[in-house]
Amino acid sequence: EAQVTQNPRYLITVTGKKLTVTCSQNMNHEYMSWYRQDPGLGLRQIYYSMNVEVTDKGDVPEGYKVSRKEKRNFPLILESPSPNQTSLYFCASSLIPRGANVLTFGAGSRLTVL
Amino acid sequence: GQQVMQIPQYQHVQEGEDFTTYCNSSTTLSNIQWYKQRPGGHPVFLIQLVKSGEVKKQKRLTFQFGEAKKNSSLHITATQTTDVGTYFCAGLEPLGGATNKLIFGTGTLLAVQP
Repeated sequence: EAQVTQNPRYLITVTGKKLTVTCSQNMNHEYMSWYRQDPGLGLRQIYYSMNVEVTDKGDVPEGYKVSRKEKRNFPLILESPSPNQTSLYFCASSLIPRGANVLTFGAGSRLTVL
Repeated sequence: GQQVMQIPQYQHVQEGEDFTTYCNSSTTLSNIQWYKQRPGGHPVFLIQLVKSGEVKKQKRLTFQFGEAKKNSSLHITATQTTDVGTYFCAGLEPLGGATNKLIFGTGTLLAVQP
């Protein structure tokens, strides 16, 4: 089944403890992106990648890192999480870069930073 | 930065009533996409509109793209409890050359009372 898989789905952590949210897609998509969803703010883009080894900042990149060493994987790294990074995170991918094609979203990762 | 405004933020209807959500951009869009997110779920692609003035229908859902390609609407006729969720528009903003940026609206949460 064609899908985007995120892990973990739920995570409670403490301020400053590094964590990684993994994202993997099995559709051979070139474009991958991370979003965070907060009440009243919709979906805001954190980082995106147009292909392997090509990543760029979205609208809210502060406090996050990403890497794209393989086409299928696009992990989101929080080096030193803070409470304002408590949010619902979605990974998404599409066949054509820059969202000209439709996005397929993962199931989401709910992160709480205490 | 560029924003796509969506109204209303929340709508509560009785089952059988109609529902409309509106999306407005300050700049001309290349296309507009609509996504639905069920409670506790992830955004799922519904439709994409490309042409000025385009109207598309999916059963009880009618999607419109404005003549100036700056606004769009989603209308649901005779809502059902299965329509509950958050509806997002996402506008593709041309940035020059082959580069585009997909910008999500803030979403409209639809509640349907049986």
